[in-house]
Formats: sequence, structure tokens, C-alpha cells
Amino acid sequence: GQNIDQPTEMTATEGAIVQINCTYQTSGFNGLFWYQQHAGEAPTFLSYNVLDGLEEKGRFSSFLSRSKGYSYLLLKELQMKDSASYLCAVVIRGGGFKTIFGAGTRLFVKA
Amino acid sequence: ETGVTQTPRHLVMGMTNKKSLKCEQHLGHNAMYWYKQSAKKPLELMFVYNFKEQTENNSVPSRFSPECPNSSHLFLHLHTLQPEDSALYLCASSQDERGLGNLGTEAFFGQGTRLTVV
Repeated sequence: GQNIDQPTEMTATEGAIVQINCTYQTSGFNGLFWYQQHAGEAPTFLSYNVLDGLEEKGRFSSFLSRSKGYSYLLLKELQMKDSASYLCAVVIRGGGFKTIFGAGTRLFVKA
Repeated sequence: ETGVTQTPRHLVMGMTNKKSLKCEQHLGHNAMYWYKQSAKKPLELMFVYNFKEQTENNSVPSRFSPECPNSSHLFLHLHTLQPEDSALYLCASSQDERGLGNLGTEAFFGQGTRLTVV
């Protein structure tokens, strides 16, 4: 079957760096998304990785290792507004494309 | 503002009621989706529409009935729901260039309808 694992919750301090991990066991891997979702709001796109390596975008970076079935989202210089859920989503291909979401990681940023 | 608008934002309905959720996207996308988000559970894909044609129904009970009159609008008609159907219902859209459907590209989500079935 298809499975995506992320930690349920994490807490970090304002100004610090936090890494949110995502591991997956899927067949037909075709890419991995990270979305941010503030409470009561829509998920918003953060990053998309299809090749191994690190993609940097401002304070946020996303890493992918396809051989290990592993990704992480790195948030630098944490701000209070970064408190949100972070959703890892894997795109698989089998007949058509299908995106499977993890349960999300709730990040709490404290002063 | 993501370009995807859902109404209503909140809905409370009894188990014998009939109601509809509405989604409209202003992004010119050709694919639209309904997702269900329950507390502490992953987003669950319910339906996919590609060029107004339903391309996926993920074993969703018949008490949920989607309708896609055009590529900009998507409805979810609800009837005789159960309390366990209480959740956040999210609509999303994307541009599916290859016509293969299902969020192979970046998705834009609406803010959702918080549904409570009593």
C-alpha cells in the first residue's frame, strides 16, 4: 500500500531552524509537495521536488532523497506566523497521477 | 486569496437535511477536486473532475453527490449525512496539462467549508 509518515507535532523557538521530516513508502513515485496550512485556512503550496537534492526558496528549503523515500522541509529564521500545519504530499503514477497526503505536522513557534 | 472560493464557510445541518457546497475557481484551471479533511487525519480525495468530466470517485458514499456544470464551478450536494461526515471539505483546482488528472501539478485550495452534522 501507499504510506506517508510525518511527526504529529513539533515545537520550536522564534528565530531558530526547524526540520520537518516526511518518509514515504509508495510505488510509482512522481514527485513530492509540501503545503502549509494555517488553522481554518486553505493549504498553500510551498515546494515541489521531483529530483534528489535541496530546493531553496527564501527561508524555506525542501530536500528529497528518492532512494531513501525521504524528504524534509527546513524552515529558517522562524517567525511566529510560521505556526501552522505542514502537509507532505506524494504524487504517484499508475494509470494516472494521484496525490496522497500525509496527516500533516503541526508546528508551534514560541517566543 | 488563492483564486478558489468556497461557500458557505460554515454549515450545520441535520441528518435529514439537503444542502450543497459550492466552489468557484478564477484561475482558468481545467481540473477541480473535492477533499475531506478530518481532525488529525490526512486529506482524503473524494472526487476529481477533469474538463468537467468526473475522472475519479474514491469510493465515496452516495450521500455525497458532486456536480461540475463547467470548468470553473464545482458543487457537492449533501443529503442524509451522518455525524461522522462532520469535517472540513476543501475544494482545489489545478492545471492538468496531460489530462491524466489528480493533482500531478500544484494545487490551489479554497478555504474550505466547515461542516457539522447534528
